[in-house]
Amino acid sequence: DGGITQSPKYLFRKEGQNVTLSCEQNLNHDAMYWYRQDPGQGLRLIYYSQIVNDFQKGDIAEGYSVSREKKESFPLTVTSAQKNPTAFYLCATRTGTGVTGELFFGEGSRLTVL
Amino acid sequence: RKEVEQDPGPFNVPEGATVAFNCTYSNSASQSFFWYRQDCRKEPKLLMSVYSSGNEDGRFTAQLNRASQYISLLIRDSKLSDSATYLCVVNRAGSARQLTFGSGTQLTVLP
Repeated sequence: DGGITQSPKYLFRKEGQNVTLSCEQNLNHDAMYWYRQDPGQGLRLIYYSQIVNDFQKGDIAEGYSVSREKKESFPLTVTSAQKNPTAFYLCATRTGTGVTGELFFGEGSRLTVL
Repeated sequence: RKEVEQDPGPFNVPEGATVAFNCTYSNSASQSFFWYRQDCRKEPKLLMSVYSSGNEDGRFTAQLNRASQYISLLIRDSKLSDSATYLCVVNRAGSARQLTFGSGTQLTVLP
């Protein structure tokens, strides 16, 4: 099936630990995104990538890092520098170019810091 | 001013009712507009793209008003399954590839 796979679905972390969230897609979309959602709030952009080996910071990139070594993969690392990492993390791809195209989301990863 | 603002919720309506949501955006140059639906603890899913001429998909109608910088979503004959959070999405100033989300409007359709 074509789609976006995020793993793990649930993750618990102790303070001071780095964790990496996986995002894999087989939709052949160039653009990939990471968003964070806190309870009762909209999605906020962490990082995005429009092409392999290139990515840009979003609104809340501090304490996060990404890589884009393959078109299919866009992993997100939540570092110990992220002061409030407990949240719902959503990976997305986007069709089209320029202003066109819709976002498609994975099922998300829910991170809890203990 | 927030880039994208939505009607505060929650909206509680009886089954069969018509309900409308508005969303205002600050970037007059925005060209991409979408409505997404998000069920509790799930990922957002595209409900409709919004086109300049307005568009309809079954019970759902989306309209764009560029002069006043808002988009709207009308749901007719509400079903219990329409209960969800509706997110307004707009491309942000200076970046066609970045999309900004509103905080969402929660709808509950009551039997």
